Amino acid sequence: DTAVSQTPKYLVTQMGNDKSIKCEQNLGHDTMYWYKQDSKKFLKIMFSYNNKELIINETVPNRFSPKSPDKAHLNLHINSLELGDSAVYFCASSQVLAGGPSQETQYFGPGTRLLVL
Amino acid sequence: QKEVEQNSGPLSVPEGAIASLNCTYSDRGSQSFFWYRQYSGKSPELIMSIYSNGDKEDGRFTAQLNKASQYVSLLIRDSQPSDSATYLCAVNLKAAGNKLTFGGGTRVLVKP
Repeated sequence: DTAVSQTPKYLVTQMGNDKSIKCEQNLGHDTMYWYKQDSKKFLKIMFSYNNKELIINETVPNRFSPKSPDKAHLNLHINSLELGDSAVYFCASSQVLAGGPSQETQYFGPGTRLLVL
Repeated sequence: QKEVEQNSGPLSVPEGAIASLNCTYSDRGSQSFFWYRQYSGKSPELIMSIYSNGDKEDGRFTAQLNKASQYVSLLIRDSQPSDSATYLCAVNLKAAGNKLTFGGGTRVLVKP
């Protein structure tokens, strides 16, 4: 059973298009995240949601809009795609432990490889 | 100065040797530290977490934390070719609102 799943796995599209990536977790976690990993392998957080509420909103273009219909799902919609959006996008989830948010272990999905042509 | 820094490598070690990876971080108030392993084309997976100064051992892996010097390290004993991967250091930076911040990763190559 896949704990954190993402669709699609690969996404090749033209500049200017709008696309969505979906993420689902069956771990019963309260918090979900979107990360972007660029060609230099830097993994940077974009957004996080806790129980459908936006918690972290990093400085990303507002062409990126996350949506959490329920705590098991976090989708990412990208408008007007640009060449620089090409990257691997990872979804992750975590559960608050007794030690508080700082001790949460994040579990990552398989990633969505986005290529903008 | 980057918030979390790692040597990008590659760190080349012979099979059976000890691989030593280092990570430094900028926020002295940070409380939680994680090592993730990422195989090429795959997602990061957690190897170790450490919250207190000192050593923490799990199988062939040992994490070491020194908050006074603001560094955390990972030792891989009896390195195997299957340990060849990129190792990401992640720090929960208190100053950043408990946000997990990753270093750029150290690529490890274990040669038979």
